[in-house]
Amino acid sequence: LAKTTQPISMDSYEGQEVNITCSHNNIATNDYITWYQQFPSQGPRFIIQGYKTKVTNEVASLFIPADRKSSTLSLPRVSLSDTAVYYCLVETAGTASKLTFGTGTRLQVTL
Amino acid sequence: DTGVSQDPRHKITKRGQNVTFRCDPISEHNRLYWYRQTLGQGPEFLTYFQNEAQLEKSRLLSDRFSAERPKGSFSTLEIQRTEQGDSAMYLCASSLGTSGRMGWIQYFGAGTRLSVL
Repeated sequence: LAKTTQPISMDSYEGQEVNITCSHNNIATNDYITWYQQFPSQGPRFIIQGYKTKVTNEVASLFIPADRKSSTLSLPRVSLSDTAVYYCLVETAGTASKLTFGTGTRLQVTL
Repeated sequence: DTGVSQDPRHKITKRGQNVTFRCDPISEHNRLYWYRQTLGQGPEFLTYFQNEAQLEKSRLLSDRFSAERPKGSFSTLEIQRTEQGDSAMYLCASSLGTSGRMGWIQYFGAGTRLSVL
């Protein structure tokens, strides 16, 4: 399974757009990228998932370049409630097996 | 509310005691997972079930740990002869396997925080 690398922490002001980039140089053809969000004392929560190009849902966008060696989670106009740890994961399609989390990116949003 | 329920939310026990945690997945989800998370780290996989069958166990799951999922519904995770190193958050997740889907999204419960004194 491809290893992921993402920044340990990021800071942002409320109302700004936040982009968190994840590196996954060894991603395989059947792998896809998934992001989870975790608040303190809660379990992780699915945010978004993609294979290539751009995916957008009601909370975030995911940008994946053509070589798929990295991906960027974009959070528009963050608020204080977006303060959390964000995990980038690479999974192999159709396996439905365990998730391999790294240490994630701790996003701190302030006024 | 993700729909995955874990009980208890907190458990304090003395070293050497046995503890059991329960997880109720989202109904109709056929896969159930257990993870362990320590402070500052991401969740680590322990084991998972498809229906009632336990399909994979991590090496983290020593012989003091046992998990069951009778009848393919709720699951229990038991830790025997607890040690201080077992102190962690134990997370349960469930997913619905649908063939052809890109990813089988896992829905997590709020976890059970175990403190071993």
